[in-house]
Amino acid sequence: LAKTTQPISMDSYEGQEVNITCSHNNIATNDYITWYQQFPSQGPRFIIQGYKTKVTNEVASLFIPADRKSSTLSLPRVSLSDTAVYYCLVGDANTGGFKTIFGAGTRLFVKA
Amino acid sequence: DVKVTQSSRYLVKRTGEKVFLECVQDMDHENMFWYRQDPGLGLRLIYFSYDVKMKEKGDIPEGYSVSREKKERFSLILESASTNQTSMYLCASSKSTLQIIYEQYFGPGTRLTVT
Repeated sequence: LAKTTQPISMDSYEGQEVNITCSHNNIATNDYITWYQQFPSQGPRFIIQGYKTKVTNEVASLFIPADRKSSTLSLPRVSLSDTAVYYCLVGDANTGGFKTIFGAGTRLFVKA
Repeated sequence: DVKVTQSSRYLVKRTGEKVFLECVQDMDHENMFWYRQDPGLGLRLIYFSYDVKMKEKGDIPEGYSVSREKKERFSLILESASTNQTSMYLCASSKSTLQIIYEQYFGPGTRLTVT
Protein backbone atom coordinates (compact mmCIF):
# COMPACT_ATOMS: atom_id res chain seq x y z
CA LEU A 1 0.00 0.00 0.00
CA ALA A 2 1.28 3.42 -0.91
CA LYS A 3 2.10 5.52 2.13
CA THR A 4 1.87 9.28 2.07
CA THR A 5 4.04 11.90 3.74
CA GLN A 6 2.88 15.46 4.35
CA PRO A 7 4.15 18.37 6.45
CA ILE A 8 2.70 18.29 9.93
CA SER A 9 1.64 21.92 9.89
CA MET A 10 1.71 25.10 7.83
CA ASP A 11 0.92 28.73 8.50
CA SER A 12 -0.46 31.24 6.05
CA TYR A 13 -2.20 34.61 5.91
CA GLU A 14 -5.57 35.49 4.50
CA GLY A 15 -5.53 36.11 0.77
CA GLN A 16 -2.41 34.06 0.10
CA GLU A 17 -2.18 30.97 -2.05
CA VAL A 18 -1.32 27.85 -0.07
CA ASN A 19 0.40 24.82 -1.56
CA ILE A 20 0.53 21.59 0.42
CA THR A 21 2.74 18.89 -1.01
CA CYS A 22 2.29 15.19 -0.41
CA SER A 23 4.87 12.54 -1.13
CA HIS A 24 3.78 9.06 -2.23
CA ASN A 25 6.87 7.37 -3.63
CA ASN A 26 5.32 3.90 -3.81
CA ILE A 27 2.19 4.88 -5.70
CA ALA A 28 0.88 2.09 -7.91
CA THR A 29 -0.48 2.25 -11.41
CA ASN A 30 -4.10 1.93 -10.30
CA ASP A 31 -3.88 4.43 -7.46
CA TYR A 32 -5.75 7.72 -7.46
CA ILE A 33 -4.78 10.68 -5.27
CA THR A 34 -7.47 12.24 -3.13
CA TRP A 35 -7.47 15.16 -0.72
CA TYR A 36 -9.83 15.69 2.20
CA GLN A 37 -10.41 18.61 4.56
CA GLN A 38 -11.40 18.24 8.19
CA PHE A 39 -12.65 20.88 10.59
CA PRO A 40 -12.69 20.28 14.35
CA SER A 41 -15.53 18.07 15.56
CA GLN A 42 -16.52 17.12 12.01
CA GLY A 43 -15.82 14.26 9.69
CA PRO A 44 -13.47 14.80 6.74
CA ARG A 45 -14.87 16.29 3.56
CA PHE A 46 -13.75 15.48 0.02
CA ILE A 47 -11.91 18.31 -1.75
CA ILE A 48 -10.44 16.96 -4.96
CA GLN A 49 -9.20 13.82 -6.68
CA GLY A 50 -6.87 13.17 -9.58
CA TYR A 51 -4.76 10.63 -11.42
CA LYS A 52 -2.25 12.72 -13.34
CA THR A 53 -1.44 16.25 -14.56
CA LYS A 54 -3.78 18.92 -13.21
CA VAL A 55 -7.29 18.89 -11.84
CA THR A 56 -9.20 22.00 -10.84
CA ASN A 57 -12.56 22.53 -9.21
CA GLU A 58 -14.28 25.45 -7.50
CA VAL A 59 -12.35 24.87 -4.28
CA ALA A 60 -8.81 23.85 -5.20
CA SER A 61 -6.33 22.62 -7.77
CA LEU A 62 -4.34 19.43 -7.69
CA PHE A 63 -1.02 19.18 -9.47
CA ILE A 64 0.46 15.76 -10.17
CA PRO A 65 3.83 15.44 -11.95
CA ALA A 66 4.47 12.81 -14.60
CA ASP A 67 6.13 10.36 -12.19
CA ARG A 68 3.16 10.67 -9.78
CA LYS A 69 5.44 10.30 -6.77
CA SER A 70 4.11 13.50 -5.26
CA SER A 71 1.15 15.80 -5.55
CA THR A 72 0.40 19.37 -4.55
CA LEU A 73 -2.89 20.71 -3.31
CA SER A 74 -3.24 24.40 -4.11
CA LEU A 75 -5.75 26.57 -2.26
CA PRO A 76 -6.13 29.99 -3.89
CA ARG A 77 -6.58 33.05 -1.68
CA VAL A 78 -7.21 31.31 1.62
CA SER A 79 -9.46 32.75 4.29
CA LEU A 80 -9.67 32.16 8.04
CA SER A 81 -12.30 29.51 7.41
CA ASP A 82 -9.75 27.39 5.54
CA THR A 83 -8.01 26.64 8.82
CA ALA A 84 -8.33 22.86 9.00
CA VAL A 85 -6.46 19.59 8.67
CA TYR A 86 -5.81 18.45 5.11
CA TYR A 87 -5.31 14.79 4.31
CA CYS A 88 -3.67 13.37 1.23
CA LEU A 89 -4.46 9.76 0.49
CA VAL A 90 -3.75 7.27 -2.22
CA GLY A 91 -6.20 4.55 -3.10
CA ASP A 92 -6.18 1.42 -5.20
CA ALA A 93 -8.88 1.60 -7.85
CA ASN A 94 -8.90 -2.19 -8.18
CA THR A 95 -10.23 -2.52 -4.65
CA GLY A 96 -12.64 0.37 -4.97
CA GLY A 97 -10.50 2.52 -2.74
CA PHE A 98 -11.05 0.27 0.26
CA LYS A 99 -7.44 0.30 1.22
CA THR A 100 -6.97 4.02 1.17
CA ILE A 101 -4.83 5.24 4.03
CA PHE A 102 -5.32 8.50 5.85
CA GLY A 103 -2.07 9.77 7.31
CA ALA A 104 -1.74 12.31 10.10
CA GLY A 105 -2.58 15.16 7.72
CA THR A 106 -1.33 18.74 7.50
CA ARG A 107 -2.72 21.25 9.96
CA LEU A 108 -3.12 24.57 8.17
CA PHE A 109 -3.42 27.75 10.22
CA VAL A 110 -4.64 30.82 8.38
CA LYS A 111 -3.99 34.09 10.17
CA ALA A 112 -5.63 37.47 9.69
CA ASP B 1 -27.63 15.99 0.00
CA VAL B 2 -25.79 12.89 1.09
CA LYS B 3 -26.31 12.18 4.71
CA VAL B 4 -24.41 9.85 6.99
CA THR B 5 -25.70 9.78 10.53
CA GLN B 6 -24.24 8.19 13.62
CA SER B 7 -26.34 7.14 16.58
CA SER B 8 -24.55 9.22 19.21
CA ARG B 9 -22.19 12.19 19.26
CA TYR B 10 -20.88 11.35 22.72
CA LEU B 11 -20.85 8.05 24.57
CA VAL B 12 -19.41 7.03 27.93
CA LYS B 13 -19.07 3.33 28.72
CA ARG B 14 -17.39 1.24 31.37
CA THR B 15 -14.57 -1.21 30.82
CA GLY B 16 -15.91 -4.59 29.81
CA GLU B 17 -19.23 -3.34 28.45
CA LYS B 18 -20.44 -4.30 25.02
CA VAL B 19 -20.77 -1.20 22.87
CA PHE B 20 -22.72 -0.71 19.66
CA LEU B 21 -22.07 2.20 17.34
CA GLU B 22 -24.62 2.62 14.59
CA CYS B 23 -24.22 4.31 11.24
CA VAL B 24 -26.89 4.96 8.63
CA GLN B 25 -26.50 6.44 5.14
CA ASP B 26 -29.32 7.54 2.86
CA MET B 27 -27.62 7.52 -0.54
CA ASP B 28 -27.86 3.85 -1.42
CA HIS B 29 -24.07 3.53 -1.26
CA GLU B 30 -22.54 0.10 -1.55
CA ASN B 31 -19.46 0.78 0.55
CA MET B 32 -19.36 1.67 4.22
CA PHE B 33 -16.39 2.23 6.50
CA TRP B 34 -15.52 2.57 10.16
CA TYR B 35 -12.48 4.60 11.21
CA ARG B 36 -11.08 5.72 14.51
CA GLN B 37 -9.25 8.98 14.90
CA ASP B 38 -6.69 9.71 17.59
CA PRO B 39 -4.52 12.81 18.03
CA GLY B 40 -1.41 12.67 15.88
CA LEU B 41 -2.44 9.42 14.19
CA GLY B 42 -4.97 10.62 11.65
CA LEU B 43 -7.76 8.28 10.66
CA ARG B 44 -7.20 4.55 10.84
CA LEU B 45 -9.48 2.09 9.08
CA ILE B 46 -11.06 -0.51 11.37
CA TYR B 47 -13.41 -2.37 9.00
CA PHE B 48 -15.17 -1.79 5.73
CA SER B 49 -18.06 -3.40 3.92
CA TYR B 50 -18.68 -3.46 0.18
CA ASP B 51 -22.06 -5.17 0.29
CA VAL B 52 -24.72 -6.45 2.67
CA LYS B 53 -23.30 -9.13 4.96
CA MET B 54 -19.82 -8.60 3.47
CA LYS B 55 -16.97 -7.20 5.53
CA GLU B 56 -13.24 -6.83 5.32
CA LYS B 57 -10.68 -6.03 7.98
CA GLY B 58 -8.94 -2.71 7.83
CA ASP B 59 -5.69 -1.80 9.51
CA ILE B 60 -6.74 -2.11 13.16
CA PRO B 61 -9.60 -4.63 13.49
CA GLU B 62 -8.49 -6.13 16.80
CA GLY B 63 -11.09 -5.72 19.51
CA TYR B 64 -13.84 -4.79 17.06
CA SER B 65 -16.46 -6.53 14.96
CA VAL B 66 -19.01 -5.21 12.49
CA SER B 67 -22.42 -6.06 11.16
CA ARG B 68 -24.15 -5.09 7.95
CA GLU B 69 -27.58 -6.66 7.66
CA LYS B 70 -29.06 -3.87 5.55
CA LYS B 71 -27.46 -1.80 2.84
CA GLU B 72 -27.97 1.51 4.62
CA ARG B 73 -26.76 0.45 8.06
CA PHE B 74 -23.30 -0.50 9.30
CA SER B 75 -22.68 -1.25 12.95
CA LEU B 76 -19.41 -1.29 14.85
CA ILE B 77 -19.30 -3.51 17.91
CA LEU B 78 -16.86 -3.43 20.78
CA GLU B 79 -17.37 -6.82 22.40
CA SER B 80 -15.66 -5.83 25.65
CA ALA B 81 -14.72 -2.18 25.76
CA SER B 82 -11.30 -1.24 27.03
CA THR B 83 -9.79 2.13 27.92
CA ASN B 84 -7.50 2.04 24.86
CA GLN B 85 -10.63 2.13 22.72
CA THR B 86 -11.40 5.65 23.91
CA SER B 87 -11.40 7.57 20.66
CA MET B 88 -13.39 9.42 18.01
CA TYR B 89 -15.18 6.95 15.72
CA LEU B 90 -16.08 8.01 12.22
CA CYS B 91 -18.35 6.24 9.79
CA ALA B 92 -18.23 6.84 6.04
CA SER B 93 -19.94 5.61 2.90
CA SER B 94 -19.16 5.71 -0.82
CA LYS B 95 -20.40 4.41 -4.14
CA SER B 96 -18.86 1.31 -5.55
CA THR B 97 -16.98 1.39 -8.81
CA LEU B 98 -14.18 -0.60 -10.32
CA GLN B 99 -12.17 2.15 -11.90
CA ILE B 100 -12.71 5.35 -10.05
CA ILE B 101 -12.56 6.01 -6.36
CA TYR B 102 -15.56 8.05 -5.52
CA GLU B 103 -15.46 10.28 -2.51
CA GLN B 104 -16.25 9.01 0.92
CA TYR B 105 -18.96 10.84 2.83
CA PHE B 106 -18.37 11.01 6.54
CA GLY B 107 -20.70 11.19 9.49
CA PRO B 108 -20.17 13.66 12.35
CA GLY B 109 -18.38 11.14 14.53
CA THR B 110 -18.98 9.53 17.91
CA ARG B 111 -16.64 10.43 20.72
CA LEU B 112 -16.43 7.32 22.88
CA THR B 113 -14.94 7.41 26.36
CA VAL B 114 -14.30 4.13 28.15
CA THR B 115 -13.72 4.48 31.88
